[in-house]
Amino acid sequence: DGGITQSPKYLFRKEGQNVTLSCEQNLNHDAMYWYRQDPGQGLRLIYYSQIVNDFQKGDIAEGYSVSREKKESFPLTVTSAQKNPTAFYLCASVGGRMNTEAFFGQGTRLTVV
Amino acid sequence: KNEVEQSPQNLTAQEGEFITINCSYSVGISALHWLQQHPGGGIVSLFMLSSGKKKHGRLIATINIQEKHSSLHITASHPRDSAVYICAVFKVNFGNEKLTFGTGTRLTIIP
Repeated sequence: DGGITQSPKYLFRKEGQNVTLSCEQNLNHDAMYWYRQDPGQGLRLIYYSQIVNDFQKGDIAEGYSVSREKKESFPLTVTSAQKNPTAFYLCASVGGRMNTEAFFGQGTRLTVV
Repeated sequence: KNEVEQSPQNLTAQEGEFITINCSYSVGISALHWLQQHPGGGIVSLFMLSSGKKKHGRLIATINIQEKHSSLHITASHPRDSAVYICAVFKVNFGNEKLTFGTGTRLTIIP
């Protein structure tokens, strides 16, 4: 079955360390997205990629980096420059007819201590 | 002002009640998703709409493109329906469509 997989589900890191969140899809979707969700708030766009080897900053890209070397994979690195990294991170992929079919990962809850 | 507004923000109802959650948007869209997020955080797409109405089990979703409004209805609500329901739209942006989310409606169904 096609789908999108995020790992790990829970992640703990010490302050000042970089950490990379994984997102893989086997849906043959061109577009992939990373969002951040804070308690009581909506999902905010960090980075997105419409095609391999290309990506754009979203609304809250500072302190994050991404790569898109393969169509299936869109890893997100939370760098030490991100001032408040503890949050829920969600990956999504978009494709299908008219590019309106959206699938979502299960999310990664990152806690920085 | 958010481009996607949902109401109500929180909704508590008794089991069996008919539930309506509303979504209004202010931008041109190519499609709208209704999503369900359970306490663990994972999100599932319930419906994708570009016009009209869709039904799946006890869930019904409608969209009025002219009024820029969509509703999600739950008939015969059950405690397992308790979740956050999120409206998300694909903004038309000349081939660079992005998903934009509402802030969600937290639904609690009391037995």
